Amino acid sequence: KNEVEQSPQNLTAQEGEFITINCSYSVGISALHWLQQHPGGGIVSLFMLSSGKKKHGRLIATINIQEKHSSLHITASHPRDSAVYICAGRREGAQKLVFGQGTRLTINP
Amino acid sequence: GAGVSQSPRYKVAKRGQDVALRCDPISGHVSLFWYQQALGQGPEFLTYFQNEAQLDKSGLPSDRFFAERPEGSVSTLKIQRTQQEDSAVYLCASSLARSVRTDTQYFGPGTRLTVL
Repeated sequence: KNEVEQSPQNLTAQEGEFITINCSYSVGISALHWLQQHPGGGIVSLFMLSSGKKKHGRLIATINIQEKHSSLHITASHPRDSAVYICAGRREGAQKLVFGQGTRLTINP
Repeated sequence: GAGVSQSPRYKVAKRGQDVALRCDPISGHVSLFWYQQALGQGPEFLTYFQNEAQLDKSGLPSDRFFAERPEGSVSTLKIQRTQQEDSAVYLCASSLARSVRTDTQYFGPGTRLTVL
């Protein structure tokens, strides 16, 4: 079992829909990162969470430490949100990240 | 520059050639990471530097892979005798490393290596 698992692998939606991407992680992961990767490879860090909830514009990230589960939500989705969204975990006391497989999101106009 | 830069952006190598990939981290960033991302997969950790010290190289897949950061800034990932399975995007990231709990890694654009 991977330390960080995401679902779904692929998600297609219409513009304006509310989007949820899920991430489950294993014992020992103390912080979760949500990253966005556009075609061409560039990765942008969206959020880092160790508890609670964070919001930035139309993006919301939540984490439930007891259930070892995090979600990334996008409200009022737009075609420019189309990208691969990656969940990555950091083990307690460590620097390196352990990545999920990514969720490929396509928002159609 | 404002962000992490990597060069070259694209590299095509014949099987058996040696390649060198460069990463320029954000100025002042202490930590530097190399990751390998195969097509359709999430990135996987290769190695990590704190200043010039290579603290973790557990992700390097074989002794053909070598990384260095001699002056604690620019880093080079070298792959000797490249094989087709080395084809991937190689990502570099850097962070301030002030606190593990709050640290954000900033990623470069990656180098796409294709081994023929």
